[in-house]
Amino acid sequence: GAGVSQSPSNKVTEKGKDVELRCDPISGHTALYWYRQSLGQGLEFLIYFQGNSAPDKSGLPSDRFSAERTGGSVSTLTIQRTQQEDSAVYLCASRPGQGFNEQFFGPGTRLTVL
Amino acid sequence: QQPVQSPQAVILREGEDAVINCSSSKALYSVHWYRQKHGEAPVFLMILLKGGEQKGHDKISASFNEKKQQSSLYLTASQLSYSGTYFCGTDSGSARQLTFGSGTQLTVLP
Repeated sequence: GAGVSQSPSNKVTEKGKDVELRCDPISGHTALYWYRQSLGQGLEFLIYFQGNSAPDKSGLPSDRFSAERTGGSVSTLTIQRTQQEDSAVYLCASRPGQGFNEQFFGPGTRLTVL
Repeated sequence: QQPVQSPQAVILREGEDAVINCSSSKALYSVHWYRQKHGEAPVFLMILLKGGEQKGHDKISASFNEKKQQSSLYLTASQLSYSGTYFCGTDSGSARQLTFGSGTQLTVLP
């Protein structure tokens, strides 16, 4: 079956512009995560959605970052007024249900802010 | 707080063994292991739960010392395909979000 997909795969933008990154999780997966991975670094948690519950936004680094998930499926991560330090690979992951299951990662979006 | 992984990097010859460690300063409920190859998405390897339950691939083995808040991943008779960066993710009982370590880069040479 189809895995997690993300678009675009690459995004180059100018400092100060807004960007939107999209994630299509695996069908039926109720949990969705966004992570940020800077060059050579680990995975930094950003936000978590579970079903219809309020999202866990505790990892968002500033109020320039926001995310929504429509209809319990597709999610969009928005970064406003991008800064050079926002350059990173943004990974989305989904998993079925609650509890302790593996997360399935998408291929990521590489964001470069000039 | 981010778990600490050691070593940061290791180079092996095909067929050799390796151990990757993950240590947390917080009480843990579960530890998750993923491998990421260069330019690719992380891939699930194993989950270890408090109380001894494990979920993962048959060819991967790991341990979880709840008292020491440590986990180790054991790679035996390494193959070229084992090369990549290994991440541990820890969970303190929320079953919601994981905190990942900075990774261990493993290189297997022929």
